[in-house]
Amino acid sequence: GESVGLHLPTLSVQEGDNSIINCAYSNSASDYFIWYKQESGKGPQFIIDIRSNMDKRQGQRVTVLLNKTVKHLSLQIAATQPGDSAVYFCAEKLRSGRRALTFGSGTRLQVQP
Amino acid sequence: GAVVSQHPSRVICKSGTSVKIECRSLDFQATTMFWYRQFPKQSLMLMATSNEGSKATYEQGVEKDKFLINHASLTLSTLTVTSAHPEDSSFYICSARDREGTGNQPQHFGDGTRLSIL
Repeated sequence: GESVGLHLPTLSVQEGDNSIINCAYSNSASDYFIWYKQESGKGPQFIIDIRSNMDKRQGQRVTVLLNKTVKHLSLQIAATQPGDSAVYFCAEKLRSGRRALTFGSGTRLQVQP
Repeated sequence: GAVVSQHPSRVICKSGTSVKIECRSLDFQATTMFWYRQFPKQSLMLMATSNEGSKATYEQGVEKDKFLINHASLTLSTLTVTSAHPEDSSFYICSARDREGTGNQPQHFGDGTRLSIL
């Protein structure tokens, strides 16, 4: 998702549907990507990661897809549940040098029961 | 799983007060910890990288004399906001990287400190 001033882009889905959250990352030198979930008033919680030598990785109910050609990352959540409602951030790490992460602008996921 | 504890969770204080925030890795050792700041409805912005036994590395635009970082042990880093003013009000979050990890690995985050300066 792209940052629009102070308003996070919001994805609203029905419980049970699949969700797809998108992220455009900035640096072609990044070699490691992570999706985090952040609930209100809490720190980011690790969901899934992927290295740049892969284009897909699956976890429990989640799949991350990486398209290095267009520098695009997506998070797919299967059978979305109300507990999945949160803000989701993608983060990238450069191939060399510092170990700090650069975070994307975030997308709010709202799951309607 | 790896746990990072941050304390306090919330601080409300008067302008001019200095505030110390602690970040502890509970079940692993971290030679590197990171401090982020997050304003409402915005993303996390890296402030500084805390290195055990050496000076912290600050991001451009972050005043090192304003935000003092100490990483005295492999499980504790502290951030002190000196002479805090209302514009310093924010959500401060730390993360830590397991020193035993090799290659790429996720950072583990604390639950943040909500700082409100009156």
